[in-house]
Amino acid sequence: KNEVEQSPQNLTAQEGEFITINCSYSVGISALHWLQQHPGGGIVSLFMLSSGKKKHGRLIATINIQEKHSSLHITASHPRDSAVYICAVSEYGNKLVFGAGTILRVKS
Amino acid sequence: DTAVSQTPKYLVTQMGNDKSIKCEQNLGHDTMYWYKQDSKKFLKIMFSYNNKELIINETVPNRFSPKSPDKAHLNLHINSLELGDSAVYFCASSQGTVEGETQYFGPGTRLLVL
Repeated sequence: KNEVEQSPQNLTAQEGEFITINCSYSVGISALHWLQQHPGGGIVSLFMLSSGKKKHGRLIATINIQEKHSSLHITASHPRDSAVYICAVSEYGNKLVFGAGTILRVKS
Repeated sequence: DTAVSQTPKYLVTQMGNDKSIKCEQNLGHDTMYWYKQDSKKFLKIMFSYNNKELIINETVPNRFSPKSPDKAHLNLHINSLELGDSAVYFCASSQGTVEGETQYFGPGTRLLVL
């Protein structure tokens, strides 16, 4: 079993919908990352969380350290949000251990 | 200016060949990483270097050898390429090795072994 589990694996939404992607992890961590991989392949870091909640534009990320769970929310989704969203935890030496990713498609 | 760059972007080669992928970062970071993304899009750490010193070496075949001539460069040499080496290889960098530091990724190198 992977240390980092994401759900759902695939998600299709209509433009404007509120989207939630979930991430659970089995190891003790000090930080969790949400990454976005564009259809062209590039990877960008969206958030780093060690507690609580962070917001950037229409994106909101939350983490519950006790429950070992994090969520990424997208409000008022748009077709340009279509991408793969990847949860990752930081371990020794800041190496990232990744979830399998959630493929999001937002239809207009 | 590109923060983390990789060359080449695409690499098609025959089984058994030896090839190298280069990575450079101009962010002044001390730590660099190599990740492999397999055909199922799953990313996994291969190596990391901090100030030219090997920090992380996951269970990667000896055919893979990273080399860091200076802290701005981390190259990946692959000997005797196998079909299973076909993947996308991402280089990344961060300021240091403190857990949680943001990593900046290169555009990836798509390797296809025939």
